[in-house]
Amino acid sequence: KNQVEQSPQSLIILEGKNCTLQCNYTVSPFSNLRWYKQDTGRGPVSLTIMTFSENTKSNGRYTATLDADTKQSSLHITASQLSDSASYICVVSARGGFKTIFGAGTRLFVKA
Amino acid sequence: DAGVIQSPRHEVTEMGQEVTLRCKPISGHDYLFWYRQTMMRGLELLIYFNNNVPIDDSGMPEDRFSAKMPNASFSTLKIQPSEPRDSAVYFCASSLFAGKTDTQYFGPGTRLTVL
Repeated sequence: KNQVEQSPQSLIILEGKNCTLQCNYTVSPFSNLRWYKQDTGRGPVSLTIMTFSENTKSNGRYTATLDADTKQSSLHITASQLSDSASYICVVSARGGFKTIFGAGTRLFVKA
Repeated sequence: DAGVIQSPRHEVTEMGQEVTLRCKPISGHDYLFWYRQTMMRGLELLIYFNNNVPIDDSGMPEDRFSAKMPNASFSTLKIQPSEPRDSAVYFCASSLFAGKTDTQYFGPGTRLTVL
């Protein structure tokens, strides 16, 4: 069964600290993995997109990694800011179309 | 570009009424997607179009849901009759291509409440 599991469910960190969010998936055959940031009351915004051959991709203070062998991905946020407070959603797509599986998201709270 | 535009932003209706949600994709984008987001189920892909043609509607929950794209700049998602369990935020997104690394741009969403 195709699944995407994210951990932790929620996380509280202090401003300026780093954090890492996890995503494990069982989607097959794998096509790509995306990380989205969703602010409260807004639509998701794409952070990174990785295919099978990519194992790391950065977008400013956001760095995503992908291990296609273990079917794990992580999103690392460096020097967190208050504006990083949001939900982070991992989305995995299977080859052959737009079969996409969404993770439940990690709710990140950055405190001053 | 103004991005993906959705209307209305909020909709409150009574059970049994017809609801129509509207979306204007980013100009030039060939793909349009409709999603639903709830606390219980998270984000779900309902249907997507390529060049105004529905490609995959396997995510549409029931026959009460229908979507159309009469032209490249407009799409609707209709629920008839609406039920309280349809209460959710409905997002429209568009992308230029369907490639593996193509970015989908989401609209602000329509928050639907069915009483």
